[in-house]
Amino acid sequence: DSGVTQTPKHLITATGQRVTLRCSPRSGDLSVYWYQQSLDQGLQFLIHYYNGEERAKGNILERFSAQQFPDLHSELNLSSLELGDSALYFCASSVSGILTSSGNTIYFGEGSWLTVV
Amino acid sequence: AQSVTQLGSHVSVSEGALVLLRCNYSSSVPPYLFWYVQYPNQGLQLLLKYTTGATLVKGINGFEAEFKKSETSFHLTKPSAHMSDAAEYFCAVSAEGNTPLVFGKGTRLSVIA
Repeated sequence: DSGVTQTPKHLITATGQRVTLRCSPRSGDLSVYWYQQSLDQGLQFLIHYYNGEERAKGNILERFSAQQFPDLHSELNLSSLELGDSALYFCASSVSGILTSSGNTIYFGEGSWLTVV
Repeated sequence: AQSVTQLGSHVSVSEGALVLLRCNYSSSVPPYLFWYVQYPNQGLQLLLKYTTGATLVKGINGFEAEFKKSETSFHLTKPSAHMSDAAEYFCAVSAEGNTPLVFGKGTRLSVIA
């Protein structure tokens, strides 16, 4: 158990709908990362938040948005869903956004499986 | 920008044989390199990482990897494969530890009895 909690574990929804994926980072971790894993694209970085502020954006579609709340949990909002959005969405957390040699490591949750039908 | 290439989407070895999973990276600045393992229906678990210092890095479950700057490689090895090693393995890079991880496509390891 990495200590990163993601809900829901599985979600099936129809095209055009909107869903929210939730992530609770490890206790004490200020950074939250979102990744999308699909068969054709592999593991793609979406977005990084540190202590409530956006730090970096990757291949995140405009239909997707995220935020990190004062209690440090994060939500990934996916709207106008398309079949191609079906994927496993990972949340990861770390103490800071800098992976120094002092032991800061990124820990991954078990993911949220999204199926768009 | 950083990138990772994992040679071989699927590697099959016999139980007790050497495991070698290849990873080459591209980075314009000193890289921080990682290997993660993903078991079926589970999240990614860190196996080992290279940041600075010793280029031979030992990780969990008997795995190790060697950072070779001249070859831009960070191959993962294990002297003797076990059935429980069957999983998907991902190599990842971060530029000086200041950027989010960029992952390779992954290599699925099968272990044959």
